[in-house]
Amino acid sequence: GQNIDQPTEMTATEGAIVQINCTYQTSGFNGLFWYQQHAGEAPTFLSYNVLDGLEEKGRFSSFLSRSKGYSYLLLKELQMKDSASYLCALLDSNYQLIWGAGTKLIIKP
Amino acid sequence: EADIYQTPRYLVIGTGKKITLECSQTMGHDKMYWYQQDPGMELHLIHYSYGVNSTEKGDLSSESTVSRIRTEHFPLTLESARPSHTSQYLCASSGLRDADLLFFGPGTRLTVL
Repeated sequence: GQNIDQPTEMTATEGAIVQINCTYQTSGFNGLFWYQQHAGEAPTFLSYNVLDGLEEKGRFSSFLSRSKGYSYLLLKELQMKDSASYLCALLDSNYQLIWGAGTKLIIKP
Repeated sequence: EADIYQTPRYLVIGTGKKITLECSQTMGHDKMYWYQQDPGMELHLIHYSYGVNSTEKGDLSSESTVSRIRTEHFPLTLESARPSHTSQYLCASSGLRDADLLFFGPGTRLTVL
């Protein structure tokens, strides 16, 4: 079967760095997405990884290891507006998205 | 400006009523999706479409129906609303390439009394 695991909640301090992990099990893989979702709003796209390695985009970076079934989202120089849920989503062999439950990130001053 | 729209944004309705949630996109995307999401929970796919006159059911069993008569329009209909339908409904679209990212509408928060 297919399964995605990510921590339910994390807390970090403004200005710091936080890493949100996502582990998955799947029989077929066509990429992994990270989305940001503020409370009461729709998800917005952050990153897409299909090859192993690190993709950097400003303060946000995403890493993928296909052999380990593992990805992480790294947020640097945290700002209060980064308080949100971060959703990991797997594109399976049928090109269907399988969503994780999301990690709620709380930023404290 | 290319975008994806949903109406209404909020709806409170009584049990047994028929409702249609509207979704339109101006990006010319072939693929459109309806997701259901309860607070703090994962997104569940309830319907999707890969183009005009194409509709499929998703992973989550649903008493809703959809239609895709025009590329830009993908309405969701509940024939008889029940309190168990209370949830957030998110419409999304993506380009024809499979790995294209999803663009989400603002969502409709439905409450059935």
